[in-house]
Amino acid sequence: DTGVSQNPRHKITKRGQNVTFRCDPISEHNRLYWYRQTLGQGPEFLTYFQNEAQLEKSRLLSDRFSAERPKGSFSTLEIQRTEQGDSAMYLCASSLGGMLTYGYTFGSGTRLTVV
Amino acid sequence: SQELEQSPQSLIVQEGKNLTINCTSSKTLYGLYWYKQKYGEGLIFLMMLQKGGEEKSHEKITAKLDEKKQQSSLHITASQPSHAGIYLCGADPYGNNRLAFGKGNQVVVIP
Repeated sequence: DTGVSQNPRHKITKRGQNVTFRCDPISEHNRLYWYRQTLGQGPEFLTYFQNEAQLEKSRLLSDRFSAERPKGSFSTLEIQRTEQGDSAMYLCASSLGGMLTYGYTFGSGTRLTVV
Repeated sequence: SQELEQSPQSLIVQEGKNLTINCTSSKTLYGLYWYKQKYGEGLIFLMMLQKGGEEKSHEKITAKLDEKKQQSSLHITASQPSHAGIYLCGADPYGNNRLAFGKGNQVVVIP
C-alpha cells in the first residue's frame, strides 16, 4: 500500500492553456474524490467517483473542468482554458466503502499556478 | 450547507505547553473528522469521532465530540515542534460521502 499518489506535484501554466492532473488511489479503494484548496481555506469538494461512475459534481466544477476514472482505478482532472482563479492546490482522496467507517486517505496534492 | 468554524484561527505556543483548538458546526454533527496538514502538502488523517461524548486519543492528541454543543475539541498535551501545522475538521452532514471542511487552525510551536 503506497498511499494515494498525485502527479505532478507542481504545475505552472500560462492562462488559457489546458492542464491535466492524475490521481492513483489506494488500489482496493472504490471511492475517489477531488477537492480544491486555496490559501487560508479548507478543501472544497469538486467531484466524487464510485468505481468508474462519477456520482456527484459540485457547482464549483465549471464546464472547463472534467474528471474521469475510466477503469475505476486512476483518475484524471482536466482544466481547459485555465484562468488565474484556478490557481490552487488540487487534492485527491480515496476511501473503501462508506466514509463514516473508514474516512478518507488524501494524496499530497498538485499545486497549480496560473500565470 | 453545513459550515464548520474553527477557532482560534492561529495559535502560537511554546514547546511543552498544552493547547486546545475547537471546531463548531452550524448543524447537528453526526460524525467529525480531524486532519493535519503541513504547508503545501496533503491532509493526514488523525481521528474520527462518531458519537456524542466520544473521546479518542492518539499519542499526545485527544479529541472529543460534544453533539449537544455541535462542537469538537482537539487537545495536544506537552506540544512539540512536530505538532506544528494546520488542523482541519471535516464533517459529512447529509451522509452523502462528501466531507465539508473548516478553514483550519494554524498551530505554531516555538522551541
